[in-house]
Amino acid sequence: AQSVTQLDSQVPVFEEAPVELRCNYSSSVSVYLFWYVQYPNQGLQLLLKYLSGSTLVKGINGFEAEFNKSQTSFHLRKPSVHISDTAEYFCALSNSGYSTLTFGKGTMLLVSP
Amino acid sequence: EPEVTQTPSHQVTQMGQEVILRCVPISNHLYFYWYRQILGQKVEFLVSFYNNEISEKSEIFDDQFSVERPDGSNFTLKIRSTKLEDSAMYFCASRGLAGGLIGELFFGEGSRLTVL
Repeated sequence: AQSVTQLDSQVPVFEEAPVELRCNYSSSVSVYLFWYVQYPNQGLQLLLKYLSGSTLVKGINGFEAEFNKSQTSFHLRKPSVHISDTAEYFCALSNSGYSTLTFGKGTMLLVSP
Repeated sequence: EPEVTQTPSHQVTQMGQEVILRCVPISNHLYFYWYRQILGQKVEFLVSFYNNEISEKSEIFDDQFSVERPDGSNFTLKIRSTKLEDSAMYFCASRGLAGGLIGELFFGEGSRLTVL
């Protein structure tokens, strides 16, 4: 069985500060890893994905994530957040290109001035 | 930009009633999905649909649930007799052709179902 753990349900941060949203996974086979973002009253939108190759993945809106196989982690980072980054962030994995996604519980990023 | 649209955005129903949630996937997509998120819990996979049949379903997707693609554009989720625990946000998603962007599901805004 596979699973995704997002330990932080909420992360409050001040504008222009750096942020890291944590994601750990468990799987007995190789994985593809994703971060999705959900802005208020909108659907889930793909931020970035790790399929293979370089372990540092860059996504939209200045976010990046690093795949760490030994620590089974895929933490999301941004060096300087904006108010507009306030949203819920979901980490997800799949075992192949066409299998279903397994999601974490989500982390609410709250950016204040 | 093409998007997945879902209706209704919010539905309140009495326990035991039938509910149909509707989705219009992106027009050239061939794979369709329903996920749900109970408040405070994970986004959970319900069912995937391809070539006019269910390709995969989870344990949650029991006999009370059904999906249909009644025409070339809509993809519906029906709950025959709703229970309190069906209260959740239901997300529809679609994906393009095989060989397309791996794992890139395009999600709708969700339909919030409240069962009283």
